[in-house]
Amino acid sequence: GAGVSQTPSNKVTEKGKYVELRCDPISGHTALYWYRQSLGQGPEFLIYFQGTGAADDSGLPNDRFFAVRPEGSVSTLKIQRTERGDSAVYLCASSLTGGRNEKLFFGSGTQLSVL
Amino acid sequence: AQTVTQSQPEMSVQEAETVTLSCTYDTSENNYYLFWYKQPPSRQMILVIRQEAYKQQNATENRFSVNFQKAAKSFSLKISDSQLGDTAMYFCAFMKVGSQGNLIFGKGTKLSVKP
Repeated sequence: GAGVSQTPSNKVTEKGKYVELRCDPISGHTALYWYRQSLGQGPEFLIYFQGTGAADDSGLPNDRFFAVRPEGSVSTLKIQRTERGDSAVYLCASSLTGGRNEKLFFGSGTQLSVL
Repeated sequence: AQTVTQSQPEMSVQEAETVTLSCTYDTSENNYYLFWYKQPPSRQMILVIRQEAYKQQNATENRFSVNFQKAAKSFSLKISDSQLGDTAMYFCAFMKVGSQGNLIFGKGTKLSVKP
């Protein structure tokens, strides 16, 4: 596609529910990244995929958060047993190869609200 | 651990004037990258300018330039001939070499360009 696409744009859920957030990277980009941006803060790194595998998942806050990229293209961020503190904008980015200091292209994010 | 500090929560500037946004960081690394990102209300993070720490020459991109002071761990952004479209949140970010995508962001500065 022309840019990084994230769906849904907004998601409202109840505490304790399971949610999935989708990221469709730029076609041909092998590197994909997820970030979380809480209100009034800068984005916080969650995970980096190189192809189908997670090359760096050091930013995932706990085992309720999980991400997959089974075919090396679309990625899904999964959050189990959501908590009110999970409310944030979840941003996805992609880059061509994941090479050194490569430019990242960001999507417009999913605003997650946990009631 | 690395930290990035932006001490100006909000700034304003008149159209066509020049404004400087401040950023300081703390790291024990010698080799790293620094970035300025713009985030308009669409939430999409857009790369404005980047600097490689080993390069002494300050980076420039059209109306945007940086003042990189490695010893002082300072990385300010100067916007010349400010335009209404420059109104946005601006985030300073740090990335260690070899940690692709693992950006550490400051809390941001909200810039308003007034007509």
